Amino acid sequence: KAGVTQTPRYLIKTRGQQVTLSCSPISGHRSVSWYQQTPGQGLQFLFEYFSETQRNKGNFPGRFSGRQFSNSRSEMNVSTLELGDSALYLCASSPAGTQGDPQYFGPGTRLTVL
Amino acid sequence: AQSVTQLGSHVSVSEGALVLLRCNYSSSVPPYLFWYVQYPNQGLQLLLKYTSAATLVKGINGFEAEFKKSETSFHLTKPSAHMSDAAEYFCAVSAYSSASKIIFGSGTRLSIRP
Repeated sequence: KAGVTQTPRYLIKTRGQQVTLSCSPISGHRSVSWYQQTPGQGLQFLFEYFSETQRNKGNFPGRFSGRQFSNSRSEMNVSTLELGDSALYLCASSPAGTQGDPQYFGPGTRLTVL
Repeated sequence: AQSVTQLGSHVSVSEGALVLLRCNYSSSVPPYLFWYVQYPNQGLQLLLKYTSAATLVKGINGFEAEFKKSETSFHLTKPSAHMSDAAEYFCAVSAYSSASKIIFGSGTRLSIRP
């Protein structure tokens, strides 16, 4: 099976712009989660989608949003970018996102905000 | 609330030596625990997972971890380090309140000396 894919791999934006990141989960996986990784804060959970519905959300401002399509592909959007949004954004998928299900990660999108 | 603590942000061992990466968890319920590895400029790869079936869990690349309830620990070991093991390692727990959310430790960077 193909793994989790994320596009683009690298992105450079300026403050105030918005950005959309894309994630394709492993075939058959219906749960997609997003994480932000920074040197200072480590890995932080953004949100999770299951069957096109946001099922769980982390402690991030409303500028961070996402959606999931009927084929389980997911997009994440960040509006009004700030310098602090520079990070590696990781997408992970699991079959159903149930307790004990490991998550399988994509290579990430490196976002740099100038 | 669950959490994991990784002791030592950086561990350095000689090639061929024992690798021991420490992780302690905090959970009021039986936890689901994971170890992930991240190579430079890549996403996270699942090494192994504990889901209460057995206390000694074998993973990929020769790694294993032992769940010790009395010590609330889930340390990762490998008998003989290879240069290719140099990476960042993350201990993680599945959040009880939100099964799809994984809570990560701060990570341990493993360096291998020739």
